[in-house]
Amino acid sequence: GAVVSQHPSRVICKSGTSVKIECRSLDFQATTMFWYRQFPKQSLMLMATSNEGSKATYEQGVEKDKFLINHASLTLSTLTVTSAHPEDSSFYICSARDRVWGYEQYFGPGTRLTVT
Amino acid sequence: AQSVTQLDSQVPVFEEAPVELRCNYSSSVSVYLFWYVQYPNQGLQLLLKYLSGSTLVKGINGFEAEFNKSQTSFHLRKPSVHISDTAEYFCAVSVGITDKLIFGTGTRLQVFP
Repeated sequence: GAVVSQHPSRVICKSGTSVKIECRSLDFQATTMFWYRQFPKQSLMLMATSNEGSKATYEQGVEKDKFLINHASLTLSTLTVTSAHPEDSSFYICSARDRVWGYEQYFGPGTRLTVT
Repeated sequence: AQSVTQLDSQVPVFEEAPVELRCNYSSSVSVYLFWYVQYPNQGLQLLLKYLSGSTLVKGINGFEAEFNKSQTSFHLRKPSVHISDTAEYFCAVSVGITDKLIFGTGTRLQVFP
């Protein structure tokens, strides 16, 4: 149990376009989902925390108008990278916290974004 | 503010040898501690966690870690590694049990035959 999926697994887009990444909890309800960014050979940096039905909380230095997060249901959160630039190329990972058990975060497999 | 330091960016080891991956944290308050493993192009999988109680924590795949409050450490150990243990390992802390995770920079464990 406790599976989190991400779609797409890889995406290549042109500079200036927008791309949406989906994060789904497949077998549990997640009141809270997290979005991380991971640069090559570096750690995960938390970008934002999203709670179902409310606005996301962004970490300092993360542009909320550029990285739009929507947590419309207990099983789905989306991250939209707007007007993408090559420096946005990265590995984006989401995690979801089980509504019942509360504390453990379950991680998705990640999405590799390449902006050309 | 909390921080996590993983002292070794890479740890090479031969198969069946023991291994220790080091993790130190900094915090003025009590924390919860986690170790995660990341295989290439995959998300993170929880290996083990320390929430309270016994300072020796056993996890999946034969890993264990010991919480040492006085040394603010949470080192990960395995008595005999396998080729399949080759991966990136991340130590993480949180202040509240439902608080955000703060990750270390990771340790690349490379197991050689």
